[in-house]
Amino acid sequence: GAVVSQHPSWVICKSGTSVKIECRSLDFQATTMFWYRQFPKQSLMLMATSNEGSKATYEQGVEKDKFLINHASLTLSTLTVTSAHPEDSSFYICSARKQGSSFDTQYFGPGTRLTVL
Amino acid sequence: KNEVEQSPQNLTAQEGEFITINCSYSVGISALHWLQQHPGGGIVSLFMLSSGKKKHGRLIATINIQEKHSSLHITASHPRDSAVYICAVVDPWGGSEKLVFGKGTKLTVNP
Repeated sequence: GAVVSQHPSWVICKSGTSVKIECRSLDFQATTMFWYRQFPKQSLMLMATSNEGSKATYEQGVEKDKFLINHASLTLSTLTVTSAHPEDSSFYICSARKQGSSFDTQYFGPGTRLTVL
Repeated sequence: KNEVEQSPQNLTAQEGEFITINCSYSVGISALHWLQQHPGGGIVSLFMLSSGKKKHGRLIATINIQEKHSSLHITASHPRDSAVYICAVVDPWGGSEKLVFGKGTKLTVNP
C-alpha cells in the first residue's frame, strides 16, 4: 500500500518559536501533497496544496509567511509554523497524491499535534 | 461550493449491531472518500469510490451518484470500530484536487 508518515507525531513549543513538521511518502513518489489543519471537534480544513518543485498554493485566510511549505523532493514536504502562538495549537495532517494516480487518490499521514504554550 | 452533510452526528451501538452512517453532498462529484479517525487523531482511508459498492472485511460503502448520497455500513460492530468516520468528496468545481469534508460521525460501540 501507499504509506505516508509525519514527524514529529506531537510537539510542544514556546510561543514565538518556529516548528517544522515533515510529511514523507515512504513507498511512492508524491507530486502533490496537501496540508490540513483540524481544530478540536471540527472537520479538516485544507491549508495549502504543495507541488514538488514549485510554490505552494494557499487557501484563503491562510498566511503563507506564517505557514511555510517546502516540497523539495517527490517524497518530502515540510510545513514550518513560524513564530508560533497558542492559537496555532492544532492537529496538522498531510496527505499525498501518488505520482501517476488519478487526482481523486490521496493517502493520509497520521497527523502531528502541535501545542504552543 | 459543495456542501457535505453527514448523519448522524453521534452514534452509540452495542457490540454486534449493524451500523449505517450516511453522507449527502450538494454538487456532482467525481469521487468520494470514507475516512476513519481514531481518538489519537490518525486518519486511515477506508474507501474511495465513484460508483456502486465496495466491501472490505466488515465494512461496506455504497454510493448513488444520481441521489448524491453515500452510506458506510459496518456489520457485526466491535468496540475497536469506535472512531470518527468522515466523508469527503472531490470537488471538481474547485479547480484543483480539493477535498471537501463532512463534519464526521462519532461512533461508539459498547461491549
